[in-house]
Amino acid sequence: AQSVTQLGSHVSVSEGALVLLRCNYSSSVPPYLFWYVQYPNQGLQLLLKYTTGATLVKGINGFEAEFKKSETSFHLTKPSAHMSDAAEYFCAVISMDTGRRALTFGSGTRLQVQP
Amino acid sequence: DTAVSQTPKYLVTQMGNDKSIKCEQNLGHDTMYWYKQDSKKFLKIMFSYNNKELIINETVPNRFSPKSPDKAHLNLHINSLELGDSAVYFCASSQDLSRTGRNTEAFFGQGTRLTVV
Repeated sequence: AQSVTQLGSHVSVSEGALVLLRCNYSSSVPPYLFWYVQYPNQGLQLLLKYTTGATLVKGINGFEAEFKKSETSFHLTKPSAHMSDAAEYFCAVISMDTGRRALTFGSGTRLQVQP
Repeated sequence: DTAVSQTPKYLVTQMGNDKSIKCEQNLGHDTMYWYKQDSKKFLKIMFSYNNKELIINETVPNRFSPKSPDKAHLNLHINSLELGDSAVYFCASSQDLSRTGRNTEAFFGQGTRLTVV
Protein backbone atom coordinates (compact mmCIF):
# COMPACT_ATOMS: atom_id res chain seq x y z
CA ALA A 1 0.00 0.00 0.00
CA GLN A 2 1.18 3.50 -0.72
CA SER A 3 1.61 6.14 1.95
CA VAL A 4 2.90 9.67 2.32
CA THR A 5 4.71 11.19 5.28
CA GLN A 6 5.10 14.91 5.70
CA LEU A 7 7.65 15.74 8.34
CA GLY A 8 6.62 18.74 10.39
CA SER A 9 2.98 19.72 10.77
CA HIS A 10 4.01 23.37 11.17
CA VAL A 11 6.87 25.23 9.54
CA SER A 12 7.61 28.87 10.24
CA VAL A 13 9.98 30.97 8.16
CA SER A 14 10.78 34.65 7.83
CA GLU A 15 9.77 36.55 4.75
CA GLY A 16 12.55 36.19 2.19
CA ALA A 17 13.92 32.98 3.73
CA LEU A 18 14.14 29.58 2.08
CA VAL A 19 11.06 27.39 2.31
CA LEU A 20 11.59 23.62 2.65
CA LEU A 21 8.64 21.31 3.17
CA ARG A 22 9.48 17.63 3.44
CA CYS A 23 7.64 14.72 1.88
CA ASN A 24 8.56 11.04 1.84
CA TYR A 25 6.52 8.34 0.18
CA SER A 26 6.20 4.60 0.33
CA SER A 27 5.30 2.77 -2.85
CA SER A 28 6.33 -0.47 -4.52
CA VAL A 29 7.01 1.32 -7.80
CA PRO A 30 7.89 4.96 -8.47
CA PRO A 31 4.61 6.75 -8.05
CA TYR A 32 3.25 9.94 -9.44
CA LEU A 33 3.80 12.72 -6.91
CA PHE A 34 2.01 15.99 -6.30
CA TRP A 35 2.07 19.05 -4.12
CA TYR A 36 -1.18 20.87 -3.47
CA VAL A 37 -1.75 24.13 -1.58
CA GLN A 38 -4.85 25.01 0.41
CA TYR A 39 -5.53 28.59 1.42
CA PRO A 40 -7.97 29.18 4.30
CA ASN A 41 -11.53 28.20 3.50
CA GLN A 42 -10.63 27.23 -0.04
CA GLY A 43 -10.17 24.10 -2.07
CA LEU A 44 -6.89 22.51 -3.07
CA GLN A 45 -4.81 23.95 -5.90
CA LEU A 46 -2.11 22.02 -7.69
CA LEU A 47 1.36 23.50 -7.21
CA LEU A 48 3.33 20.96 -9.22
CA LYS A 49 3.53 17.31 -10.12
CA TYR A 50 6.05 14.64 -11.08
CA THR A 51 5.05 11.80 -13.38
CA THR A 52 8.07 10.85 -15.50
CA GLY A 53 11.12 12.55 -16.98
CA ALA A 54 13.05 15.35 -15.35
CA THR A 55 13.23 14.85 -11.62
CA LEU A 56 13.34 18.57 -10.80
CA VAL A 57 9.88 19.94 -11.31
CA LYS A 58 8.94 23.59 -11.34
CA GLY A 59 5.50 24.75 -10.33
CA ILE A 60 3.48 27.86 -9.80
CA ASN A 61 4.35 30.73 -7.46
CA GLY A 62 8.10 29.98 -7.61
CA PHE A 63 7.90 26.55 -5.99
CA GLU A 64 9.83 23.52 -7.14
CA ALA A 65 10.34 19.96 -5.98
CA GLU A 66 12.83 17.23 -6.72
CA PHE A 67 11.98 13.56 -7.00
CA LYS A 68 14.73 11.47 -5.39
CA LYS A 69 14.03 7.80 -5.91
CA SER A 70 16.93 6.64 -3.70
CA GLU A 71 15.57 8.67 -0.80
CA THR A 72 11.88 8.13 -1.66
CA SER A 73 11.45 11.87 -1.24
CA PHE A 74 9.73 14.74 -3.01
CA HIS A 75 10.56 17.82 -0.95
CA LEU A 76 9.06 21.19 -1.85
CA THR A 77 11.24 24.29 -1.91
CA LYS A 78 11.02 27.98 -2.65
CA PRO A 79 14.11 30.20 -2.49
CA SER A 80 12.39 33.22 -0.93
CA ALA A 81 9.18 33.08 1.07
CA HIS A 82 6.46 35.65 0.60
CA MET A 83 3.70 36.50 3.03
CA SER A 84 1.17 35.21 0.52
CA ASP A 85 2.72 31.72 0.75
CA ALA A 86 1.18 31.18 4.17
CA ALA A 87 -1.14 28.21 3.69
CA GLU A 88 -1.50 24.47 4.22
CA TYR A 89 0.57 22.31 1.88
CA PHE A 90 -0.21 18.72 1.03
CA CYS A 91 1.99 16.14 -0.61
CA ALA A 92 0.10 13.39 -2.43
CA VAL A 93 0.86 10.21 -4.35
CA ILE A 94 -0.78 7.97 -6.90
CA SER A 95 0.73 4.53 -7.27
CA MET A 96 0.47 3.27 -10.84
CA ASP A 97 0.83 -0.40 -9.92
CA THR A 98 -2.62 -0.72 -8.47
CA GLY A 99 -6.11 -0.16 -9.72
CA ARG A 100 -6.65 2.30 -6.94
CA ARG A 101 -6.12 5.46 -8.94
CA ALA A 102 -6.84 8.13 -6.39
CA LEU A 103 -4.67 10.56 -4.52
CA THR A 104 -3.34 9.48 -1.17
CA PHE A 105 -2.48 12.58 0.84
CA GLY A 106 0.02 13.30 3.55
CA SER A 107 -1.17 14.91 6.75
CA GLY A 108 -0.28 18.41 5.58
CA THR A 109 2.19 21.08 6.66
CA ARG A 110 1.06 24.52 7.72
CA LEU A 111 3.48 27.16 6.51
CA GLN A 112 3.66 30.40 8.46
CA VAL A 113 5.60 33.35 7.08
CA GLN A 114 6.78 35.91 9.59
CA PRO A 115 7.33 39.53 8.51
CA ASP B 1 -16.83 29.15 -15.55
CA THR B 2 -15.78 27.31 -12.40
CA ALA B 3 -14.16 23.98 -13.23
CA VAL B 4 -15.47 21.96 -10.27
CA SER B 5 -18.36 23.45 -8.37
CA GLN B 6 -20.09 22.07 -5.34
CA THR B 7 -23.11 23.29 -3.45
CA PRO B 8 -23.78 24.27 -0.83
CA LYS B 9 -20.58 25.83 0.51
CA TYR B 10 -21.85 25.68 4.09
CA LEU B 11 -24.37 23.26 5.55
CA VAL B 12 -25.54 23.30 9.15
CA THR B 13 -28.02 20.64 10.13
CA GLN B 14 -29.30 18.66 13.06
CA MET B 15 -28.42 15.11 13.97
CA GLY B 16 -30.62 12.57 12.30
CA ASN B 17 -31.35 14.66 9.22
CA ASP B 18 -30.68 13.60 5.64
CA LYS B 19 -28.74 15.96 3.40
CA SER B 20 -27.17 16.08 -0.05
CA ILE B 21 -24.15 17.83 -1.50
CA LYS B 22 -24.02 18.38 -5.24
CA CYS B 23 -20.96 18.47 -7.46
CA GLU B 24 -20.54 19.32 -11.12
CA GLN B 25 -17.45 19.53 -13.32
CA ASN B 26 -17.19 21.16 -16.73
CA LEU B 27 -13.72 19.87 -17.57
CA GLY B 28 -14.86 16.85 -19.56
CA HIS B 29 -13.16 14.53 -17.09
CA ASP B 30 -14.09 10.87 -16.77
CA THR B 31 -13.41 10.41 -13.08
CA MET B 32 -14.88 12.15 -10.05
CA TYR B 33 -14.16 11.80 -6.36
CA TRP B 34 -15.36 12.67 -2.91
CA TYR B 35 -12.81 13.40 -0.22
CA LYS B 36 -13.39 14.11 3.44
CA GLN B 37 -11.18 16.56 5.33
CA ASP B 38 -11.39 16.24 9.10
CA SER B 39 -10.77 18.86 11.75
CA LYS B 40 -7.04 18.10 11.66
CA LYS B 41 -6.98 18.82 7.92
CA PHE B 42 -6.40 15.18 7.02
CA LEU B 43 -7.80 14.32 3.58
CA LYS B 44 -9.16 10.88 2.87
CA ILE B 45 -10.75 9.44 -0.24
CA MET B 46 -14.31 8.28 0.19
CA PHE B 47 -15.51 7.38 -3.30
CA SER B 48 -14.50 7.61 -6.90
CA TYR B 49 -16.58 7.17 -10.03
CA ASN B 50 -15.38 6.62 -13.56
CA ASN B 51 -17.96 7.21 -16.27
CA LYS B 52 -20.77 6.77 -13.73
CA GLU B 53 -19.30 3.50 -12.44
CA LEU B 54 -18.22 3.18 -8.81
CA ILE B 55 -14.49 2.47 -8.72
CA ILE B 56 -13.40 3.20 -5.17
CA ASN B 57 -15.58 2.74 -2.12
CA GLU B 58 -13.50 3.17 0.98
CA THR B 59 -14.61 2.10 4.43
CA VAL B 60 -17.38 4.63 4.74
CA PRO B 61 -20.64 4.11 6.64
CA ASN B 62 -23.42 3.05 4.32
CA ARG B 63 -25.29 6.17 5.40
CA PHE B 64 -23.15 7.84 2.74
CA SER B 65 -24.34 7.14 -0.79
CA PRO B 66 -22.83 8.70 -3.90
CA LYS B 67 -24.94 9.13 -7.00
CA SER B 68 -23.60 9.88 -10.47
CA PRO B 69 -26.39 10.69 -12.94
CA ASP B 70 -23.84 11.42 -15.65
CA LYS B 71 -20.09 11.73 -15.82
CA ALA B 72 -20.19 15.47 -15.13
CA HIS B 73 -22.04 15.11 -11.82
CA LEU B 74 -21.34 13.27 -8.60
CA ASN B 75 -23.63 13.96 -5.67
CA LEU B 76 -23.22 12.80 -2.10
CA HIS B 77 -26.24 11.91 -0.03
CA ILE B 78 -25.91 11.38 3.70
CA ASN B 79 -28.63 9.76 5.78
CA SER B 80 -29.15 10.01 9.52
CA LEU B 81 -26.40 12.56 10.07
CA GLU B 82 -24.20 12.15 13.12
CA LEU B 83 -21.98 14.61 14.99
CA GLY B 84 -18.90 12.82 13.68
CA ASP B 85 -19.89 13.58 10.11
CA SER B 86 -18.95 17.21 10.65
CA ALA B 87 -16.10 17.91 8.25
CA VAL B 88 -15.28 19.58 4.97
CA TYR B 89 -16.22 17.49 1.96
CA PHE B 90 -14.37 18.05 -1.29
CA CYS B 91 -15.41 16.97 -4.72
CA ALA B 92 -12.69 16.52 -7.34
CA SER B 93 -12.31 15.34 -10.91
CA SER B 94 -9.53 14.07 -13.14
CA GLN B 95 -8.94 12.34 -16.43
CA ASP B 96 -9.29 8.57 -16.51
CA LEU B 97 -6.12 7.54 -14.70
CA SER B 98 -6.19 4.00 -16.05
CA ARG B 99 -5.59 5.22 -19.58
CA THR B 100 -2.81 7.69 -19.24
CA GLY B 101 -0.54 9.01 -16.56
CA ARG B 102 0.11 12.40 -18.06
CA ASN B 103 -3.07 14.16 -17.04
CA THR B 104 -3.29 12.77 -13.58
CA GLU B 105 -3.88 15.80 -11.44
CA ALA B 106 -7.18 16.18 -9.70
CA PHE B 107 -9.07 19.46 -9.74
CA PHE B 108 -10.89 20.26 -6.54
CA GLY B 109 -14.04 22.14 -5.72
CA GLN B 110 -14.16 24.77 -3.00
CA GLY B 111 -15.46 22.34 -0.41
CA THR B 112 -18.65 22.01 1.61
CA ARG B 113 -18.31 22.62 5.32
CA LEU B 114 -20.84 20.35 6.99
CA THR B 115 -21.65 21.03 10.63
CA VAL B 116 -23.93 18.64 12.45
CA VAL B 117 -25.42 19.98 15.68
